[in-house]
Amino acid sequence: GAVVSQHPSRVICKSGTSVKIECRSLDFQATTMFWYRQFPKKSLMLMATSNEGSKATYEQGVEKDKFLINHASLTLSTLTVTSAHPEDSSFYICSVPPPGRDGIQYFGAGTRLSVL
Amino acid sequence: AQKVTQAQTEISVVEKEDVTLDCVYETRDTTYYLFWYKQPPSGELVFLIRRNSFDEQNEISGRYSWNFQKSTSSFNFTITASQVVDSAVYFCALIPNQAGTALIFGKGTTLSVSS
Repeated sequence: GAVVSQHPSRVICKSGTSVKIECRSLDFQATTMFWYRQFPKKSLMLMATSNEGSKATYEQGVEKDKFLINHASLTLSTLTVTSAHPEDSSFYICSVPPPGRDGIQYFGAGTRLSVL
Repeated sequence: AQKVTQAQTEISVVEKEDVTLDCVYETRDTTYYLFWYKQPPSGELVFLIRRNSFDEQNEISGRYSWNFQKSTSSFNFTITASQVVDSAVYFCALIPNQAGTALIFGKGTTLSVSS
């Protein structure tokens, strides 16, 4: 079964609304989770590293006030796209590295966001 | 610089043909991990293989095989006797140095297999 649960899988929203995406680790605790963004026909780009109990680390060019990340527990990280606009439409995917398994990462199924 | 290059943007083959997807990486680290992922139209990433930098053995899994050559910094992926179900985007990725850090992805190669 799935090791990482990501919800929702698809969301359509109006411009100006906020959208929350959840990434849940089902089998192990994770102090770190990663959020990636993928534009159509493009590669996956790391947006930020979610750290349990502390602030997320954002990659250069990613607006932290736009993409709020909260790692509230050892099994849950959320990404909130605030005041979404059509240019935020994209595929968002999270990944979780399990402890003690060098290099392994488990990916969520992804969330396809469409902002009208 | 840490970088993964997949020079082939799109490849089209006919069923039963063999196809090789190229991957060249750059890293200054002596310890690193290399990966291949498959992304079907659904979008979900499917893990295919992980290789650490100290293991240069080639690997075969069914119709899939991987050729890791540190001398040329390449980690190529071959599908033998391709099938329509192999149609997807394939990503090569790198984790430099420290496990638990994020993946660095190549731009991906779109493979189309026609019947």
